[in-house]
Amino acid sequence: GAGVSQSPSNKVTEKGKDVELRCDPISGHTALYWYRQSLGQGLEFLIYFQGNSAPDKSGLPSDRFSAERTGGSVSTLTIQRTQQEDSAVYLCASSSGYQETQYFGPGTRLLVL
Amino acid sequence: AQTVTQSQPEMSVQEAETVTLSCTYDTSENNYYLFWYKQPPSRQMILVIRQEAYKQQNATENRFSVNFQKAAKSFSLKISDSQLGDTAMYFCAFMKLRNANTGNQFYFGTGTSLTVIP
Repeated sequence: GAGVSQSPSNKVTEKGKDVELRCDPISGHTALYWYRQSLGQGLEFLIYFQGNSAPDKSGLPSDRFSAERTGGSVSTLTIQRTQQEDSAVYLCASSSGYQETQYFGPGTRLLVL
Repeated sequence: AQTVTQSQPEMSVQEAETVTLSCTYDTSENNYYLFWYKQPPSRQMILVIRQEAYKQQNATENRFSVNFQKAAKSFSLKISDSQLGDTAMYFCAFMKLRNANTGNQFYFGTGTSLTVIP
């Protein structure tokens, strides 16, 4: 079946602009995670959605970062007033439940000039 | 806090040989999961193998196996009969089980870049 998809694959933006990154989880997966992977680093947890529950936003680095998940499926990560340090690969993962393995999308590579 | 350490930033292995990637972690939890993920140049993070901490038997998936030493908090990955397609960044990950409201959190190591040499 189809895996996790993310769009765009690559995004180049200017400092100060807003960007939106999209994640389509595996159909039927109730849990959705966003991570950030900076060059040469592991993954940094950003936010978690489970069904209709309030999201766990404990990993968001600043109030410029926000995420939504509409209808329990597609999620959008928004970064406002982008900064150069926001440049990274943003990975989305989904799982069928909170105790299940996460399956990752291919990521969106964001470059802020 | 949980930490995951991969002390080998880069490794190489001859095709068809065996290589072991090391991973240690620090936690006060008793029940957790451990994973090895592979990230090839395509960026797609692919699950290689998973180990539940309550299981004493080491997980095995074809050419991939782990040596899980719970007391030592060690979780190494052995790749047998290495193939060119195994060239990738390998991440060790620790998953702390949380409740349904907060979800699991993955803690990743910084990765080991493995190159399989023809």
